[in-house]
Amino acid sequence: GAVVSQHPSRVICKSGTSVKIECRSLDFQATTMFWYRQFPKQSLMLMATSNEGSKATYEQGVEKDKFLINHASLTLSTLTVTSAHPEDSSFYICSAPTGTVGNIQYFGAGTRLSVL
Amino acid sequence: ILNVEQSPQSLHVQEGDSTNFTCSFPSSNFYALHWYRWETAKSPEALFVMTLNGDKKKKGRISATLNTKEGYSYLYIKGSQPEDSATYLCANKIQGAQKLVFGQGTRLTINP
Repeated sequence: GAVVSQHPSRVICKSGTSVKIECRSLDFQATTMFWYRQFPKQSLMLMATSNEGSKATYEQGVEKDKFLINHASLTLSTLTVTSAHPEDSSFYICSAPTGTVGNIQYFGAGTRLSVL
Repeated sequence: ILNVEQSPQSLHVQEGDSTNFTCSFPSSNFYALHWYRWETAKSPEALFVMTLNGDKKKKGRISATLNTKEGYSYLYIKGSQPEDSATYLCANKIQGAQKLVFGQGTRLTINP
């Protein structure tokens, strides 16, 4: 089946630094990728929809200058958490739809971000 | 129902027993209902995508049903095994939207 690779799986950084998370579709092309955030004991919350070759679409309440998304190729989307602060500590996960009926999605394994 | 809701939030089942849990979702503008299994330290894996009212899908010991008019789906696991331990997520896709809206998940633990 389709594979989505997400790196890094875990990152610990100091407050004020920027962190880049990569999401790659390994065996299919993804014109769209989704970025989610999950707080403890809560559901996956969509942050933004990443579109290849164009600007990302952000969900209400998500700061686009804080969470920079770049989707420069059909197989790679990146999420950069700029000037990270402790409140940005969370679990971030990406997915890519395969274009099949119902829009089944393949997920990365997620990134655990801890900001000290 | 405005959001996607799953119940129970967690469940402990004895190995060999059968179990089921529920996903409730808004019935308006329905397009598709997804079920995913998410094992610890792995990627969520798609189980089923259902689009039609009355749909029933089966994969091995796992099956799912869909009622789009009343906005619910059941996931059934027959003869639970330890490898069934995971969080089961459901997600709703409405017409005209790319995105999925996820429930909080049901965390299933199978006791040997």
